[in-house]
Amino acid sequence: AQSVTQPDIHITVSEGASLELRCNYSYGATPYLFWYVQSPGQGLQLLLKYFSGDTLVQGIKGFEAEFKRSQSSFNLRKPSVHWSDAAEYFCAVGAYYGGSQGNLIFGKGTKLSVKP
Amino acid sequence: GAGVSQSPSNKVTEKGKDVELRCDPISGHTALYWYRQSLGQGLEFLIYFQGNSAPDKSGLPSDRFSAERTGGSVSTLTIQRTQQEDSAVYLCASSPKTGAYGYTFGSGTRLTVV
Repeated sequence: AQSVTQPDIHITVSEGASLELRCNYSYGATPYLFWYVQSPGQGLQLLLKYFSGDTLVQGIKGFEAEFKRSQSSFNLRKPSVHWSDAAEYFCAVGAYYGGSQGNLIFGKGTKLSVKP
Repeated sequence: GAGVSQSPSNKVTEKGKDVELRCDPISGHTALYWYRQSLGQGLEFLIYFQGNSAPDKSGLPSDRFSAERTGGSVSTLTIQRTQQEDSAVYLCASSPKTGAYGYTFGSGTRLTVV
């Protein structure tokens, strides 16, 4: 069965510091991987996605993520965090069946706090 | 519409009452999903509609939960005889049929059962 693990429940970084949020997945085939961000009281916004090809994917708001098959990981990174990045981040893995996308399995999320 | 629209945004109901939550997906999106988000629990898959295919109901937690999608567009999630443990944010998302685009989420309905 598919599963996603986000080992860090809560991370605090200083503004301007670099960030890495960890995500590990379990899936029998090549996964489709996503990162979403949820600001307080808001819905989820797609940051970036990986389907195939280049294992380093760029997303919105200066985020990037790297797919490492050997480690079953899809970690999210940002070189310099801004106070507005404080939010909850969700990693998700999905499948693609017969031309249609199936449901995504989400991790439990990592809450990011940013110190001034 | 331009985005996924959910209504109501907030709903307070008494234990034992039935509630209906509505989702209006992005026009042209044939796939529609319902998730539940409880505090500290991440997102729990509930049900998935894809075009005219039978829905994937594997995530529904009990037979008190049901959902329908009329005309391949608007969906309604119904919770009968609500319990306090049903309190959560219910999120709807849609996506195009072809291509693994990820989802576009609505802002959710916050359900509080008192």
